[in-house]
Amino acid sequence: NAGVMQNPRHLVRRRGQEARLRCSPMKGHSHVYWYRQLPEEGLKFMVYLQKENIIDESGMPKERFSAEFPKEGPSILRIQQVVRGDSAAYFCASSLGWAGVTYEQYFGPGTRLTVT
Amino acid sequence: DAKTTQPTSMDCAEGRAANLPCNHSTISGNEYVYWYRQIHSQGPQYIIHGLKNNETNEMASLIITEDRKSSTLILPHATLRDTAVYYCIVRVARNNNDMRFGAGTRLTVKP
Repeated sequence: NAGVMQNPRHLVRRRGQEARLRCSPMKGHSHVYWYRQLPEEGLKFMVYLQKENIIDESGMPKERFSAEFPKEGPSILRIQQVVRGDSAAYFCASSLGWAGVTYEQYFGPGTRLTVT
Repeated sequence: DAKTTQPTSMDCAEGRAANLPCNHSTISGNEYVYWYRQIHSQGPQYIIHGLKNNETNEMASLIITEDRKSSTLILPHATLRDTAVYYCIVRVARNNNDMRFGAGTRLTVKP
């Protein structure tokens, strides 16, 4: 029973390149959440998606960041024209149904993005 | 969502109980208390949650005061592998699905 999968685990990009982070939720989970964690800080919510729908993107930067969760395949967090400030750990979580009080979120191992 | 206040760090001797406090004085009646932990940059791990009754599972116990303004996470027999940052999160369901992670408490279990 595989947990939440994220790849790549480590990603190095030069300034101006694009970064694509992938997240496969736990089997049976149809709700995905993306969080960002800067060094020595707590996780910050970015976006919540269901299959083919963005439900809440209140934590997403207005520019350069986008997320999708297609009908088939993993969820993708895309960062265009990366800058050094984008260097962080990006965590994906999934839940069964929607994250009502009985449905906790399960986290993946994260993708560590380094922008040089 | 209500804000939470946790001590920055705590130490605990291996084999002893670790008691991690959390204040959430502005909690609303429909908000739950969740605990997660993050072990050395891994993804956060769910521990336990509760509304007003005390809860226990295989990992920990959660004690919530009667006025619900504070709670304590108890790891009954701490091991070195319990060294982690522990996050207390208060959240309501419905449409608000994000979890607001604060700075948490860095628990160090010492031999």
